Amino acid sequence: QAVLTQPSSLSASPGASASLTCTLRSDINVGTYRIYWYQQKPGSPPQFLLRYKSDSDKQQGSGVPSRFSGFKDVSANAGILVISGLQSEDEADYYCMIWHSSAVVFGGGTKLTVL
Amino acid sequence: QVQMVQSGAEVKKPGSSVKVSCKASGGTLSNYAISWVRQAPGQGLEWMGRIIPRLEIVNYAQTFQGRVTITADKSATTAYMELSSLRSEDTAVYYCARPHYSGSRPEGFDYWGQGTLVTVSS
Repeated sequence: QAVLTQPSSLSASPGASASLTCTLRSDINVGTYRIYWYQQKPGSPPQFLLRYKSDSDKQQGSGVPSRFSGFKDVSANAGILVISGLQSEDEADYYCMIWHSSAVVFGGGTKLTVL
Repeated sequence: QVQMVQSGAEVKKPGSSVKVSCKASGGTLSNYAISWVRQAPGQGLEWMGRIIPRLEIVNYAQTFQGRVTITADKSATTAYMELSSLRSEDTAVYYCARPHYSGSRPEGFDYWGQGTLVTVSS
């Protein structure tokens, strides 16, 4: 079982909200991890969006709009990236990341389509 | 403004090695943890390892242990990633990346190089 699992794709309408999930393997507890989120558009390197561990331990990337926010669903053992007020420019791949056992682990990524 | 500038695209034969560089513009990499991340065509991100030049710390992902070497020059303005015993599956864009803050604490990657395409083909 992968350490981080993301749905491969998600579609949402302009103006709506999208929730992108990053589920941790069952033997590791989401509560103890900082979850990092990145956006990647075709032909460009990833861009750091935000980091979320708790409401008291979170950081927004430089210049990242507040409509990008992070949460956790402890019952689902998952990190969540919420994008509100979707815009066409939000169409991209989104990756979650954690540090686990002194190594970086990325989720497989979610392709977000705004239509 | 922080900029990380990588070397240009490479085409390599299977079994050979490739060395990609990552230069910090306007400063040193010395105090920062410089990671290398690769992305095969149409695939996700894969962390390869990192170096913190001033602390002489190097960590490698298990997947690449024994095949990757990450170094920095003495002036610590340039980091390098060398991958050996190349195979077609190593065809990918290779990125260097670093956090905003210096030190060894595990952090995310605020700054990325532009990427270097390495093509492995006979």
